[in-house]
Amino acid sequence: ETGVTQSPTHLIKTRGQQVTLRCSSQSGHNTVSWYQQALGQGPQFIFQYYREEENGRGNFPPRFSGLQFPNYSSELNVNALELDDSALYLCASSLAGGATNQPQHFGDGTRLSIL
Amino acid sequence: DAKTTQPNSMESNEEEPVHLPCNHSTISGTDYIHWYRQLPSQGPEYVIHGLTSNVNNRMASLAIAEDRKSSTLILHRATLRDAAVYYCIPNYGGATNKLIFGTGTLLAVQP
Repeated sequence: ETGVTQSPTHLIKTRGQQVTLRCSSQSGHNTVSWYQQALGQGPQFIFQYYREEENGRGNFPPRFSGLQFPNYSSELNVNALELDDSALYLCASSLAGGATNQPQHFGDGTRLSIL
Repeated sequence: DAKTTQPNSMESNEEEPVHLPCNHSTISGTDYIHWYRQLPSQGPEYVIHGLTSNVNNRMASLAIAEDRKSSTLILHRATLRDAAVYYCIPNYGGATNKLIFGTGTLLAVQP
């Protein structure tokens, strides 16, 4: 069973640029959630995708957007990067949309640094 | 407002049991209680979840109070590899299974 994989592992960008982060979900999982984790903090929910549609969003501005593909992999796009966007971005996959009894399986994240 | 309370840090000795407490006094009857842990330089890892009755799996046990306002994660024999931040996450009735992480409990395990 292949776990959740994220790419790239590290990325450096400058303010104002745009970035795309990628996530391959665990085999058989149809739901992908994205989280942002600032240094020393717990992860914060960005949004969730289920069957290629957004299925819930946290308190993040519209410049954070996403996609889910037919094979359930997903992208997180961030436009107009700001210094505060420096963080670890985590992807998690699960079964069955928003079912609250389904565990989520996380990748090891993409470390994004904004200069 | 929904609120989850965990100690900031705990210490344990290797091969001894560890009881990690969590208070979630505003939980509703249909909210699952999830526990995740995060080892250094890794993404969070699912540990266990439950609704009402106590739960066991290969990693840990989850003891849920009868009134469901608190729960305890039990590691039966701590190892050095169990040193991590442990997050207690009740669902709080959300429409999705988004996880609302707090700051968790940093568990240190001494050899």
